[in-house]
Parts: sequence; structure tokens; C-alpha cells
Amino acid sequence: RKEVEQDPGPFNVPEGATVAFNCTYSNSASQSFFWYRQDCRKEPKLLMSVYSSGNEDGRFTAQLNRASQYISLLIRDSKLSDSATYLCVVNGHTNAGKSTFGDGTTLTVKP
Amino acid sequence: DGGITQSPKYLFRKEGQNVTLSCEQNLNHDAMYWYRQDPGQGLRLIYYSQIVNDFQKGDIAEGYSVSREKKESFPLTVTSAQKNPTAFYLCASSIGPPSGGLNTQYFGPGTRLTVL
Repeated sequence: RKEVEQDPGPFNVPEGATVAFNCTYSNSASQSFFWYRQDCRKEPKLLMSVYSSGNEDGRFTAQLNRASQYISLLIRDSKLSDSATYLCVVNGHTNAGKSTFGDGTTLTVKP
Repeated sequence: DGGITQSPKYLFRKEGQNVTLSCEQNLNHDAMYWYRQDPGQGLRLIYYSQIVNDFQKGDIAEGYSVSREKKESFPLTVTSAQKNPTAFYLCASSIGPPSGGLNTQYFGPGTRLTVL
């Protein structure tokens, strides 16, 4: 089993839809969590950190469930520009707190 | 204008050659990282450095070498010992060490290496 697992998708949704991604992690000692967005053939860019209390940034909401060891990303009112691969990142459960990346979930928003 | 730069953007190498990928940051970040990404996969850590003149192996360090002589620079050498080097290489940096509270990583634009 991978340390960090994501549903690879692809998720194909119409504009305006609400879509949710989950990411599970195996080590309960994990300390910090992030969602990154990666466009095709580009570098990952930080979308948002994930806090225990949950956090929201515009149309994006991230939540952490430590008991069940998963994080989620909710995108409301999807835009065409949201089409990308979303990477889940978990820190702190390997030597020196290194990051472990999920393989990513691909989202395509269609008109 | 602060950021992380990587060069070259595309690199072609013949089998048996060593090549060095450049990574420079002017963010005054202490920690720097090298990752490899293969198609359809996530990032895998090659090496990381928490401070100047110190670096640690990541999960897939075999066939790679690094140096950290300056805070701003963390070059990666892909040696001929790396059996399957064709990949997208990403450099990142963070303010603090990987295990601390300032460990959010910011990435450079990447280098695509192709072995001919």
C-alpha cells in the first residue's frame, strides 16, 4: 500500500459543478498537509495548506480528518481554468519530516 | 523578483554521459530539494539539503549526486550510473527544514531530461 493514495480519476465535470477529492495517508504521525495544483508539463504550485480546523479560500475548501487519516479538497462552481492535476502532499512521517506526494487526481472541467 | 530558477528547461543526453542540472533561489530559503517525476506519477525525492554544506539522500538517490556550497544553489548531477534518467526534474525550496513549521515547498519550473 502506498503511503499517500489518491483516486487518479480522471474527473470530468461540467462548468459550475462541485467536485471533491480525497487523499488517504498511512502514518498517523504525519504533521502537515497540503494541496498542490499541477498544470500539464508545469511545476506544482501550492494551492492551500490543510489545517485541522478546515480552511477555505474562495471556491476551495480543504479539510483534515486525523481519525480516519484523510484530507479532502472541495471545489465549488468549477471553472474551465480549474482543469489540472491536484497533488496531495503529506509531511512529517518519514525521516526528517520529508514530504510524500500522492500521484495526483486529474480534473477536467468541460463547458 | 524572488523565485526559483532551473536551467536548462530541456536537456538531451547521450547514454554514458554525466549532466548537471542547475537550481538557484533568491528567496533566502534554508532548505532545498530535488524531485523526479515520471509520467502519470507523483514526485519522488532524490536529495534534500537543510543547510549549506549538508545534504541527505532521499528515496531514490542512486545514480545522482548533489552539492550545496552556497545557500542559493543546489545543483544536481545525473550520472551514467542512473539507469533510467529520462524524467522531469523539479527543484524546490522551503524557508525551514522539512520537519518544521515553515516547510511549505515552492518549486522551480523544472528541467526535462531525455536520454538519447
